Amino acid sequence: DQQVKQNSPSLSVQEGRISILNCDYTNSMFDYFLWYKKYPAEGPTFLISISSIKDKNEDGRFTVFLNKSAKHLSLHIVPSQPGDSAVYFCAARDVHGSSNTGKLIFGQGTTLQVKP
Amino acid sequence: EPEVTQTPSHQVTQMGQEVILRCVPISNHLYFYWYRQILGQKVEFLVSFYNNEISEKSEIFDDQFSVERPDGSNFTLKIRSTKLEDSAMYFCASSRTSGGFGTQYFGPGTRLLVL
Repeated sequence: DQQVKQNSPSLSVQEGRISILNCDYTNSMFDYFLWYKKYPAEGPTFLISISSIKDKNEDGRFTVFLNKSAKHLSLHIVPSQPGDSAVYFCAARDVHGSSNTGKLIFGQGTTLQVKP
Repeated sequence: EPEVTQTPSHQVTQMGQEVILRCVPISNHLYFYWYRQILGQKVEFLVSFYNNEISEKSEIFDDQFSVERPDGSNFTLKIRSTKLEDSAMYFCASSRTSGGFGTQYFGPGTRLLVL
């Protein structure tokens, strides 16, 4: 099941620069997308989300962009900080399915390293 | 800030033994979930629970798995007869709603090792 894909397993950026993490999806029924950050031995921590009716959502240093026609979303972190170093997961939710449970489907994750 | 808690943080068990993983969701949340992550793989949905019953389960969630909300605060995942391939991090999550902006908040996870 590859409904949500993060094709870059890792990304390395310099402190202060922009980090761009990408995510592609195949299911056009996804209505809500989320980014989670995960440190080793901890649970995923919610970062930012976007509804499918929007194309951009911003929260401080984090901005998520959604391109529905391309079925692509990206997370921008500006400026990047060493504390941002973690695994970032893209997740998508389909509430139009018959169960309507809001289950999340995750990508494989991208490991971000921000170098001082 | 309210958070999801899970116990134990680590569990080692012998194959064939039963394990119970415990979670305390955020208090005003109504939807509860279990996910797992096998080392090096994706976070995978196992089961969702609402109104004291399972609302959806994945193919992974076979007859060896069960969930329960025994009281107003705890949410448990039981694996009746563990297999080696059940070794994974198990995450509990909760949300206020399943739709709209019902963000799921995750606990820190239980690392299960089956020997």
